[in-house]
Amino acid sequence: KAGVTQTPRYLIKTRGQQVTLSCSPISGHRSVSWYQQTPGQGLQFLFEYFSETQRNKGNFPGRFSGRQFSNSRSEMNVSTLELGDSALYLCASSTGTSGYEQYFGPGTRLTVT
Amino acid sequence: DQQVKQNSPSLSVQEGRISILNCDYTNSMFDYFLWYKKYPAEGPTFLISISSIKDKNEDGRFTVFLNKSAKHLSLHIVPSQPGDSAVYFCAAGGNTDKLIFGTGTRLQVFP
Repeated sequence: KAGVTQTPRYLIKTRGQQVTLSCSPISGHRSVSWYQQTPGQGLQFLFEYFSETQRNKGNFPGRFSGRQFSNSRSEMNVSTLELGDSALYLCASSTGTSGYEQYFGPGTRLTVT
Repeated sequence: DQQVKQNSPSLSVQEGRISILNCDYTNSMFDYFLWYKKYPAEGPTFLISISSIKDKNEDGRFTVFLNKSAKHLSLHIVPSQPGDSAVYFCAAGGNTDKLIFGTGTRLQVFP
């Protein structure tokens, strides 16, 4: 099976712009979760989508949003970018059943200047 | 509020010896725990998991121990190899698919 793919891998944006990141889960996986990784902060949970519905949400401002399509592919959008949004954004897919591990993509490295 | 804590940001171990990575959690509702390994420029890869009904799970060189009363889990790597050098994250989950991750421990295995 193909793994989780994320596009683009690298992105440079300026403050105030918006950005959309894409994630294609493993075939058959219905859950996609998004995380932000910054140095010293580990992986911070953004949100999780399951069958096109947001099922869980972390403690991020409303500038961070997402959606999931009927083929389970997911997009994450960040509006009005701030310097502090510079991070590695990871998505992970799973079957959506508690107790099963999540499989991560390689991430999108976002730099905001 | 950091519900999952990895208090050691780094660990250095000689090749062939045991590596012990520790993780503490505060939420007693967590019922499964996972360890992930992460190399630079790659996403985390799943290593091993344990459910709250067990206190030990083994997979080759990797063993995870869970002490529910102390809300503590540890990952033992025996013997440690240079290829094990990476950042290790512990994660905990409850009855949803949401995982809470620790801040990671950077393991360096030297010859």
